[in-house]
Amino acid sequence: DTAVSQTPKYLVTQMGNDKSIKCEQNLGHDTMYWYKQDSKKFLKIMFSYNNKELIINETVPNRFSPKSPDKAHLNLHINSLELGDSAVYFCASSQVGHGPGELFFGEGSRLTVL
Amino acid sequence: AQTVTQSQPEMSVQEAETVTLSCTYDTSESDYYLFWYKQPPSRQMILVIRQEAYKQQNATENRFSVNFQKAAKSFSLKISDSQLGDAAMYFCAYRSDYDGQNFVFGPGTRLSVLP
Repeated sequence: DTAVSQTPKYLVTQMGNDKSIKCEQNLGHDTMYWYKQDSKKFLKIMFSYNNKELIINETVPNRFSPKSPDKAHLNLHINSLELGDSAVYFCASSQVGHGPGELFFGEGSRLTVL
Repeated sequence: AQTVTQSQPEMSVQEAETVTLSCTYDTSESDYYLFWYKQPPSRQMILVIRQEAYKQQNATENRFSVNFQKAAKSFSLKISDSQLGDAAMYFCAYRSDYDGQNFVFGPGTRLSVLP
């Protein structure tokens, strides 16, 4: 039973299109994240939600809009896709406030914008 | 803001040998957590080992151990008896105990294991 699952695993789309990535965690964690991993493998946080409340909103174009319907789900919608949006997007969760609170990652969603 | 540095973009090790990956971090905080994550070609991010800053004893997990030097702000990962399956990107990460939601990752070290 996958702890953090995200769909789809792969997206290939044209510039200008809109796409969404869904994420669900069954660990009971309070905090969920979206990370972007670029072609050089740098991992950069985009958003963090704690109990459906936006906590971290890094300098990300407003074409990216996260949505957390409940604490087990965090979706990412991207409007007007650009070539530079091509990357792997990771969803993650953690339980902050109780020990190390390590991140549990989903398998990643590779987005390719043509 | 905290930063995490991994000064070795690439490393290689012979199978069955030992390798050490370096990580340094910059923080003014006293309470925090440090992690090493492994990312094999499958791209799944896997937790290798964790260390609480308040613990002096270095963490170990089977063939993986760390050398945590709090004063020097250093957190290196030692892999003993390297196996082909250890080939991966390794990321060092920092989490503050004050601003717990923000994890800071280093740029990663690509480890190759030679047969």
